[in-house]
Amino acid sequence: EIVMTQSPATLSVSPGERVTLSCRASQSVSSNLAWYQQKPGQAPRLLIYGASTRAIGIPARFSGSGSGTEFTLTISSLQSEDFAVYYCQHCNKRPPGSFGQGTKVEIK
Amino acid sequence: EVQLLESGGGLVQPGGSLRLSCTAAGFTFSSYAMNWVRQAPGKGLEWVSVINVSGDLTYYADSVKGRFTISRDNSKNTLDLQMNSLRVEDTAVYYCARKELGNRPFDYWGQGTLVTVSS
Repeated sequence: EIVMTQSPATLSVSPGERVTLSCRASQSVSSNLAWYQQKPGQAPRLLIYGASTRAIGIPARFSGSGSGTEFTLTISSLQSEDFAVYYCQHCNKRPPGSFGQGTKVEIK
Repeated sequence: EVQLLESGGGLVQPGGSLRLSCTAAGFTFSSYAMNWVRQAPGKGLEWVSVINVSGDLTYYADSVKGRFTISRDNSKNTLDLQMNSLRVEDTAVYYCARKELGNRPFDYWGQGTLVTVSS
């Protein structure tokens, strides 16, 4: 089983700041990595897949990078609507992915 | 517009059973693998189960293996999760989510249905 580990658990930032979230896989997942955003009371929303491809409708301030076991989600300039919990997930076919434990981005 | 609507959640006693359903609309249901993902109150996301497009291949998380059964009816565009021998730790919001074939993400999610296991 592939274990996904995210860091930090919580990030306190001010609007306009650049934010970097990390995700590590216990073994290589190539570029089969997705990022999701979840706001309170809502379902998760796909942000990034294939480690670096933005999903439909996702603003350009969100970017993903990495391959193998180390991945990063960057928000170039944090907007008020970006305060949320972010999860990474490996997208291997069999079985499909376990999730990281999440990083909460909160207002400083 | 892609829509996934879960139903069937509720309060059940430990050891009891519950059947969740997810009704799909707005896409060719039979072309997508379907998943169940759950989220305990205040906790993170936990993948539960997946079923392939034809319904003859399934996988389960170790935490539910032998107790939960996933199934689908492509003629009705529905996905089900039969949950037996429920435990307090199964309390969660259960989401259905679709997945394209291959190494692809869960691109659309339902809004979830709450299952509470308590005496």
